[in-house]
Amino acid sequence: DAGVIQSPRHEVTEMGQEVTLRCKPISGHDYLFWYRQTMMRGLELLIYFNNNVPIDDSGMPEDRFSAKMPNASFSTLKIQPSEPRDSAVYFCASSFARSGRSGDTQYFGPGTRLTVL
Amino acid sequence: AQSVTQLDSHVSVSEGTPVLLRCNYSSSYSPSLFWYVQHPNKGLQLLLKYTSAATLVKGINGFEAEFKKSETSFHLTKPSAHMSDAAEYFCVVSDRMDTGRRALTFGSGTRLQVQP
Repeated sequence: DAGVIQSPRHEVTEMGQEVTLRCKPISGHDYLFWYRQTMMRGLELLIYFNNNVPIDDSGMPEDRFSAKMPNASFSTLKIQPSEPRDSAVYFCASSFARSGRSGDTQYFGPGTRLTVL
Repeated sequence: AQSVTQLDSHVSVSEGTPVLLRCNYSSSYSPSLFWYVQHPNKGLQLLLKYTSAATLVKGINGFEAEFKKSETSFHLTKPSAHMSDAAEYFCVVSDRMDTGRRALTFGSGTRLQVQP
């Protein structure tokens, strides 16, 4: 398996522009997570999906952020409009949950480094 | 609520000497615990995980961690550091919240430097 795939790997944009980050989870995984990593705040969970349905979006910073998962093999994280403080590395991760167990391993993508000027 | 504390933000060791990265956690349930490693400009890679089986867990690259419930600790160790071990290490606790929803909490990370 190719692992979790994210695109683009790097994105530089100007304040006010729309940014779309993409993620392809590992085939067969039923959970997908979006994280943001900054020096100041470390790793933060933004939102996660189970079977394409958003389960917990309490980590999404504000209405400018939105995430979708139209099918089991694709998810997007959109920022509109983008601001300089959104500059961070955004990671996507996926996992396969076995019934009755918590703590299943999450597999991370390489991340998208976003710079908003 | 669950939480995880990595006691050292930076650790520096000499190549060939032991590594100890400390992690304490709190959890309402029987948690699963992980250590992830992140090399510069890379994603996170799983080193090892504990899921209520053996308390001493062996991972990749010679790392291991011991789950100590009485001390609520899950420290990461390696007998002999290698230059390629220089990276950031994250202790992670996974717990099932009261609502049954999945939650994963990351520590703030420990940056390991390995001196030649």
